Order: sequence, then structure tokens, then C-alpha cells
Amino acid sequence: ILNVEQSPQSLHVQEGDSTNFTCSFPSSNFYALHWYRWETAKSPEALFVMTLNGDEKKKGRISATLNTKEGYSYLYIKGSQPEDSATYLCAFDTGGFKTIFGAGTRLFVKA
Amino acid sequence: ETGVTQTPRHLVMGMTNKKSLKCEQHLGHNAMYWYKQSAKKPLELMFVYSLEERVENNSVPSRFSPECPNSSHLFLHLHTLQPEDSALYLCASSQEQGDYGYTFGSGTRLTVV
Repeated sequence: ILNVEQSPQSLHVQEGDSTNFTCSFPSSNFYALHWYRWETAKSPEALFVMTLNGDEKKKGRISATLNTKEGYSYLYIKGSQPEDSATYLCAFDTGGFKTIFGAGTRLFVKA
Repeated sequence: ETGVTQTPRHLVMGMTNKKSLKCEQHLGHNAMYWYKQSAKKPLELMFVYSLEERVENNSVPSRFSPECPNSSHLFLHLHTLQPEDSALYLCASSQEQGDYGYTFGSGTRLTVV
């Protein structure tokens, strides 16, 4: 059974704080690692798809890093804003259409 | 709107009913997926279609029956469901195996009574 773990489960921060969360995944059968942002009552939205060990990707104030050898990825948010409040999902992609999602980190940003 | 449209948004059905969930995408993607999210659990892959052929079936009970008549449409036919099947059902699509990520619909919130 392939396990994808995300921590913490939830996080409360103040506006302006920087924060980060972790996704742990198996270090074998790696094809890609996805990050999604899921706001309440909306659709999950793709943030990043990362494939290479050492990859770093950035989109505005959000960035992510990838370590495939040790099986983890970090998502960073710089200067959190209330609109960043959402659940952040990571997904371990073994290729062949099989992608395993973590349970998510629920971020609350207080103004 | 993401480009993936799911209907209905909400559905309440009895255990003896038959209903269908519909998903439509006009993004030119060639793979479509059904995911289930139960309370406090991760998204679970149910079915995958690539080029209208089913390529993945994750040990889903036969009371869930998918149909992909063309690359833009995906259905999930439901019959004799159980209360524990109440969940959010999400449809997604991707180009090839999802190298650029998946595009999700907003989901159908299903309640079985």
C-alpha cells in the first residue's frame, strides 16, 4: 500500500506570516508529485507538478521543493493572506494514471 | 469555471433508486477520472478512462458503473447504493497521464438515505 502523508493536518496563522507544510511519499516508483489548492465549495486547482529531484517551483508567493530520494516535498507560502485559506493537497503520481492523494493540510489565515 | 462541469451539484437518493452523475469537459483532454472523497479521508481514485477506454478500476463495488461515450463526457451510474456511499464525487480530466496536473470539476455531493 502506497502512503502519502501530509503534515500538519491543519494550521492557523496570522496575515503576513510565512508558513510551510510537508508531503511525504514513497521514494520508489516515483513519476511526479502534484500540489493542489482546494478552496471550500470550489474545485481543486493545480499549483505545481514536479518531476525532478531538487526541483523548485514558484507561483507568486507560493513555492515548492522536491526531494525524491528521501521522499518529501515542502510547500511554502510567503506573507500569508486571508485568500490563501484553503486545503492544500499533494498527490504522488506513479505514472500510468495512478495518483495517490494525501489527506491535505487545511490552512486558516486570520486577518 | 475550470472547464470541467459536473451535474448535479447535489443529489439525495434512496437506496433503491437509480441515478447518474454527469461530467463534461471541452479542454481537449484525453483522460477522465472519477474520484470519491468521504469525510476526513483523502481523495480515492475510482475509475480512469483514457481515449474512452477504461484503464483503471480501483476495486469499486459494482453498484457504481462508469460510462465514457466519448472523450468529452463521463458518467457514473449509481444503483442500490448504501448510506456509506454518501460522499463528494469529483470528476477530473487531464492531457495524457496528467503531466500538467488534473483539472477538476466542482463535484457532486451525494447523500444516500
